[in-house]
Amino acid sequence: DGGITQSPKYLFRKEGQNVTLSCEQNLNHDAMYWYRQDPGQGLRLIYYSQIVNDFQKGDIAEGYSVSREKKESFPLTVTSAQKNPTAFYLCASKRDMGVVNEQFFGPGTRLTVL
Amino acid sequence: GQQVMQIPQYQHVQEGEDFTTYCNSSTTLSNIQWYKQRPGGHPVFLIQLVKSGEVKKQKRLTFQFGEAKKNSSLHITATQTTDVGTYFCVGGGSNYKLTFGKGTLLTVNP
Repeated sequence: DGGITQSPKYLFRKEGQNVTLSCEQNLNHDAMYWYRQDPGQGLRLIYYSQIVNDFQKGDIAEGYSVSREKKESFPLTVTSAQKNPTAFYLCASKRDMGVVNEQFFGPGTRLTVL
Repeated sequence: GQQVMQIPQYQHVQEGEDFTTYCNSSTTLSNIQWYKQRPGGHPVFLIQLVKSGEVKKQKRLTFQFGEAKKNSSLHITATQTTDVGTYFCVGGGSNYKLTFGKGTLLTVNP
């Protein structure tokens, strides 16, 4: 089955530690995205990547970093510089071309920083 | 930057009642998408509207895109408990960056 996987589903970390969230897709999509969702809020864009070895900051990139070494993978690192990292993190992908801009989302990782 | 406002933030209805959520953009959009997120789940694509004044239907759901391409609405006729979730409108600007509204949480009393 084609899709997007994120692991783990739940993640707990101590304050001051960096943590990396995994996102893998086998849809052969060029574009990948990371969003953050807080309770009662919409999705806010952290980083996005249009192509391998290239990525751009979204609206709330401070305290986060990404890499895009492979088309299939777009890991997100939440650094100790992120002031309020506890949130639900969603990864998505999209075909680069075509009329429909449908984004396919992974199941998400719920990060809790203690 | 582009902003997408969505109202209401919450809506509680009795099963069988209709429901409407509205979306307004600060700028003209190239397209608008609608997603549904069930409680505890992830957003799932419902539809995309591209043309000015476009209306599309999916069973009990009707989607509209305004003439000026700055607003949109989603109307559900005769809600069911399976309609529960948060409905997001998403404004399309550049090909890669999409702007999400904050969503409308719909709850349905059986």
